[in-house]
Amino acid sequence: DTGVSQDPRHKITKRGQNVTFRCDPISEHNRLYWYRQTLGQGPEFLTYFQNEAQLEKSRLLSDRFSAERPKGSFSTLEIQRTEQGDSAMYLCASRSKTGDAGELFFGEGSRLTVL
Amino acid sequence: AQSVTQPDIHITVSEGASLELRCNYSYGATPYLFWYVQSPGQGLQLLLKYFSGDTLVQGIKGFEAEFKRSQSSFNLRKPSVHWSDAAEYFCAVGAYAGKSTFGDGTTLTVKP
Repeated sequence: DTGVSQDPRHKITKRGQNVTFRCDPISEHNRLYWYRQTLGQGPEFLTYFQNEAQLEKSRLLSDRFSAERPKGSFSTLEIQRTEQGDSAMYLCASRSKTGDAGELFFGEGSRLTVL
Repeated sequence: AQSVTQPDIHITVSEGASLELRCNYSYGATPYLFWYVQSPGQGLQLLLKYFSGDTLVQGIKGFEAEFKRSQSSFNLRKPSVHWSDAAEYFCAVGAYAGKSTFGDGTTLTVKP
């Protein structure tokens, strides 16, 4: 069990550029979640997948944000035409479908800074 | 809609003193409740969770929490705080498989 890994850990970009984050969940976990966290706030739900199906998206997720999990394993979160307000920590988490259910296992996050 | 309120943004306690962090939730059904801890630069780690059964649950690092349905609360406690407990603590509510909703967290500072 290598845990949830996220890449890159840090990304600095200029306003208007596109960025993509990758998340590799714990291998036997079929559910994968993306959250966004800004300073002084708790994690804010963005979207989640069960296997390759995207089951829920937050209304906060604008059209500039898209997430995929094409083979039900790793996931990518792309932000197009970044804005300064997108600066945040993007957290990925995964969850098992059986056993000790309910707990989210988090990666260490990908920090985005938009200049 | 589900929501979590953590009324205390920042708490300072002396090492060895007891600790209680408050959490109030709103949820339409029987809630799944969680406490997570986040150290600087780290991801969130689960401290404990409540699904059903005994309303007093034990977690890692000597933490416990009590579910009170009548008060919609799930407060976190520790009888004796250690300097290494300084971190940010998040309460969360959710369903078995769907999203979890987090509070804005309480930052714990431990005085020597």
